[in-house]
Amino acid sequence: DAKTTQPPSMDCAEGRAANLPCNHSTISGNEYVYWYRQIHSQGPQYIIHGLKNNETNEMASLIITEDRKSSTLILPHATLRDTAVYYCIVRLLSNDYKLSFGAGTTVTVRA
Amino acid sequence: ETGVTQTPRHLVMGMTNKKSLKCEQHLGHNAMYWYKQSAKKPLELMFVYNFKEQTENNSVPSRFSPECPNSSHLFLHLHTLQPEDSALYLCASSQAADNEQFFGPGTRLTVL
Repeated sequence: DAKTTQPPSMDCAEGRAANLPCNHSTISGNEYVYWYRQIHSQGPQYIIHGLKNNETNEMASLIITEDRKSSTLILPHATLRDTAVYYCIVRLLSNDYKLSFGAGTTVTVRA
Repeated sequence: ETGVTQTPRHLVMGMTNKKSLKCEQHLGHNAMYWYKQSAKKPLELMFVYNFKEQTENNSVPSRFSPECPNSSHLFLHLHTLQPEDSALYLCASSQAADNEQFFGPGTRLTVL
């Protein structure tokens, strides 16, 4: 699976949109971009995934650049409960079960 | 509530003890996983079971022994652990290999 690069930490204001960047410049054509988050002392939680089109669900939006070398996870209205470590994972969908978690971005939402 | 439960939530054991961690999923999934998360380290995949058959053993020491009696239950049997095995042990499940994984809350293990 291609590697990803994320900033180690970022702050955002409660009620504002949080834009989390991820670089995956070596991604191949059949690899998906997945986002998970882990709130302190809990298990990781699936957020969203996409291949090349932008995706939106009840939790977030995923914007993937046209060349697919980077993406942005958008939390439209951040709340204090969104404080967590956010992981961007590039994954080849096959019979490979592996999810390779990196260090992620520690997002702190401030009141 | 993700539909994946783990017990116990906290466990303290000595290096000579034998204990077991339990995971149960109520999602009708076919694949189950054990992950280890040590302090300040990324999650590490330990074992994968698909339809009760082990499909992945990520070079885990034999003092960790998984058991999957059916698609809903997964155990991790522990014996003669070391203090460096202290970590958060997470269970997950998915419908198939290429589906998103749902994680349990984890068991915080401390080995004295």
